[in-house]
Amino acid sequence: SYELTQPPSVSVSPGQTASISCSGDKLGDKFVCWYHQRPGQSPELLIYQDNKRPSGIPERFSGSNSGNTATLTISGTQAMDEADYYCQTWDSSAAVFGGGTKLTVL
Amino acid sequence: DVQLVESGGGLVQPGGSLRLSCAASGFTFTTYAMNWVRRAPGKGLEWVSGITGSGATTLYADSVKGRFSISRDNSERTLYLQMHSLRAEDTAVYHCVLQKTGFTNSPFDNWGRGSLVTVSS
Repeated sequence: SYELTQPPSVSVSPGQTASISCSGDKLGDKFVCWYHQRPGQSPELLIYQDNKRPSGIPERFSGSNSGNTATLTISGTQAMDEADYYCQTWDSSAAVFGGGTKLTVL
Repeated sequence: DVQLVESGGGLVQPGGSLRLSCAASGFTFTTYAMNWVRRAPGKGLEWVSGITGSGATTLYADSVKGRFSISRDNSERTLYLQMHSLRAEDTAVYHCVLQKTGFTNSPFDNWGRGSLVTVSS
């Protein structure tokens, strides 16, 4: 079955840029979505089709996808961005999530 | 506004059965695909199952195939997940999820708060 690999944790200082990677075989040939889940809340869609933002998602969230790696970039990271982040794609009619990355804003 | 409210979770013994429900409002229910996604304690998100707006097509993760069944009642605007032969590893918060732009290869747009299922003796 298809697998997506994310780093377990990423740390960033407030105001700096955070990057979270997501790797999978020929991932660049697929569409990737990103979600975050703040403590005690439901997951929320941040990015779809690699780099599109739903309405209401701040511009500081951006995405890219090429080769075997997709990347979520958070510019000007804020304390409220501390959360678990997940990449997701579809393979053989099944949705696949990465293992998740805990973003800590120090 | 889209609202998805799950119910039916609880404590069940291994081998037992449980049915989750998701009451939907704020959108045209029959138009859109719906899914269940779970998160086990200390683990990440795992897609469980999905169903098209008409109910004609259903998909399952390998981990639940043959044990879980997804269905919907469009007249009642309700999504269901019937779970049989439950195992300890099925313990999780189960989220009801709406897709607004398709089925496979489409994002998970709106999420409910979830219903906790605990499988333990």
